[in-house]
Amino acid sequence: EPEVTQTPSHQVTQMGQEVILRCVPISNHLYFYWYRQILGQKVEFLVSFYNNEISEKSEIFDDQFSVERPDGSNFTLKIRSTKLEDSAMYFCASRADSWNNSPLHFGNGTRLTVT
Amino acid sequence: AQKITQTQPGMFVQEKEAVTLDCTYDTSDQSYGLFWYKQPSSGEMIFLIYQGSYDEQNATEGRYSLNFQKARKSANLVISASQLGDSAMYFCAMRGPGGETSGSRLTFGEGTQLTVNP
Repeated sequence: EPEVTQTPSHQVTQMGQEVILRCVPISNHLYFYWYRQILGQKVEFLVSFYNNEISEKSEIFDDQFSVERPDGSNFTLKIRSTKLEDSAMYFCASRADSWNNSPLHFGNGTRLTVT
Repeated sequence: AQKITQTQPGMFVQEKEAVTLDCTYDTSDQSYGLFWYKQPSSGEMIFLIYQGSYDEQNATEGRYSLNFQKARKSANLVISASQLGDSAMYFCAMRGPGGETSGSRLTFGEGTQLTVNP
């Protein structure tokens, strides 16, 4: 069964550094998402992406964050200058279509640790 | 705004018994969808089951069923014949109506940690 893949599985970075989290969504899916989960807390929406542009973003997704789909297969999340509070599990997800019953398929996540 | 509430931070069940995980929601939308996801200790998010707001029958998917009570705004997950591998965090999530371009985010609850005892 096709799946969403994320790399790396674990990233350690120093505060102030830029990080890029990479995702390959399921190939025929149209909608793409980034979520994050701070350890022990709920899963929080960051951004959704459709038709090569952001369709919705949360208040968490400030100017330090950006997303890109550079080549039609990869979907990346960039954090420009990481802060300690950016430490979390970051999940990429994709969805096939706009039908309401269409679930999000999540990748295994990238654990980001900012020191 | 949509809100999902899971009031059980932790639940315990004996192997082979059934367990109900609670989920209540708040929305002013008429059209919405409710999802349950499982997150094992390895961290991945696994889709389990979906219930649409207009679905007249409760959703079922193998050992998972959804007890949907629209008037009470609840969408409880029932797991029958629990197995040791069911031990995980379970998240209830909701999607509101959205146009084709809106993305229609999922809003998640706090989660319930289920432990299945042998």
